[in-house]
Amino acid sequence: SQTIHQWPATLVQPVGSPLSLECTVEGTSNPNLYWYRQAAGRGLQLLFYSVGIGQISSEVPQNLSASRPQDWQFILSSKKLLLSDSGFYLCACWGTYGYTFGSGTRLTVV
Amino acid sequence: AQSVTQPDIHITVSEGASLELRCNYSYGATPYLFWYVQSPGQGLQLLLKYFSGDTLVQGIKGFEAEFKRSQSSFNLRKPSVHWSDAAEYFCASLGAAGNKLTFGGGTRVLVKP
Repeated sequence: SQTIHQWPATLVQPVGSPLSLECTVEGTSNPNLYWYRQAAGRGLQLLFYSVGIGQISSEVPQNLSASRPQDWQFILSSKKLLLSDSGFYLCACWGTYGYTFGSGTRLTVV
Repeated sequence: AQSVTQPDIHITVSEGASLELRCNYSYGATPYLFWYVQSPGQGLQLLLKYFSGDTLVQGIKGFEAEFKRSQSSFNLRKPSVHWSDAAEYFCASLGAAGNKLTFGGGTRVLVKP
């Protein structure tokens, strides 16, 4: 079955610092990959999705970017974090075994 | 564009009582529908899903959901809740474009002793 690895589990970063969150997938090939964000007390919002290497679609304008350097790797980045970037970030995969979520990263920008 | 609505932001229920969480979807064709549960500080766990066939779907932890095309609904039910069911529940639909999962806003369930 497909498995998603997402790290770190928690992260505290100062305003203006860079960000890099990594998500890797195993057990499936050529999956669709997604980054979601859940702000405090809010639902899940799709930020980016990728149907293949180097193919990124952005769903909402924001301070973040995404990259997919390998079929199994999806990275969420920011050059300068804002307070409003705080939230719970989930990576997800649509592959052979359907939709799978990672365990999430809780980001607090201080 | 597809959308998912969960009308109830919070629901409080007594332990042992029945629970029903509402979900309405908007999509041209029959979507794939999901219910997820998120415990505090945790990721998402799939409770059940509907793709086609029998409109009453059984899931884990004693949950079930019924797809009603005429009402564009996919409500989640549990006959008798346990204190461990306190969590946030998300309904989601999967459309064709890019296989993007669209979530409702979530319903937070509190269980009273």
